[in-house]
Amino acid sequence: GENVEQHPSTLSVQEGDSAVIKCTYSDSASNYFPWYKQELGKGPQLIIDIRSNVGEKKDQRIAVTLNKTAKHFSLHITETQPEDSAVYFCAANAGGTSYGKLTFGQGTILTVHP
Amino acid sequence: SAVISQKPSRDICQRGTSLTIQCQVDSQVTMMFWYRQQPGQSLTLIATANQGSEATYESGFVIDKFPISRPNLTFSTLTVSNMSPEDSSIYLCSEGTGATDTQYFGPGTRLTVL
Repeated sequence: GENVEQHPSTLSVQEGDSAVIKCTYSDSASNYFPWYKQELGKGPQLIIDIRSNVGEKKDQRIAVTLNKTAKHFSLHITETQPEDSAVYFCAANAGGTSYGKLTFGQGTILTVHP
Repeated sequence: SAVISQKPSRDICQRGTSLTIQCQVDSQVTMMFWYRQQPGQSLTLIATANQGSEATYESGFVIDKFPISRPNLTFSTLTVSNMSPEDSSIYLCSEGTGATDTQYFGPGTRLTVL
């Protein structure tokens, strides 16, 4: 089955700096890669996703890049703000006929210092 | 995305007892899923809740321990049976269309077993 590795496990940045979180996946059939933000006491919130037919997607301060050949994808947050502090999870779908099944990375605790 | 609610939001239970968690979506959805998030860990898929048929369980999860119902396209329940302290986790439901693999999560149920 799919295996997703996420790095780093913790990331500390100063407000205004950029933050980058990286994930690798194992299943070459995977074609959907979402990113979730989970704040303390809340459920995961979908913040951006990318499909395998594109290499990059942006939404304001957030961007995701995908390298299908190397089987890795990354989340980029620019101009970080204290409210960006949360746990971030990457995920990959199972591909093939396993509709909807997501495998998650281990998570990254992002702390943005004012 | 649909609005997802879960009940209860949290509970403290005694070992050996069972707890049923409810997940309600404000619109009809194709697919509903149940995940477990152990303390400080990532999300692990327990099962896919199938409307009108038995749930599809992932490796390591069995129906006797985690019976699931899905009587219609907007509602599902997960029961955690014969609980032990190791079952202390956040239990999350999510909904998806299946065709796009996009999933949205509920707020979670925080379970503590003493």
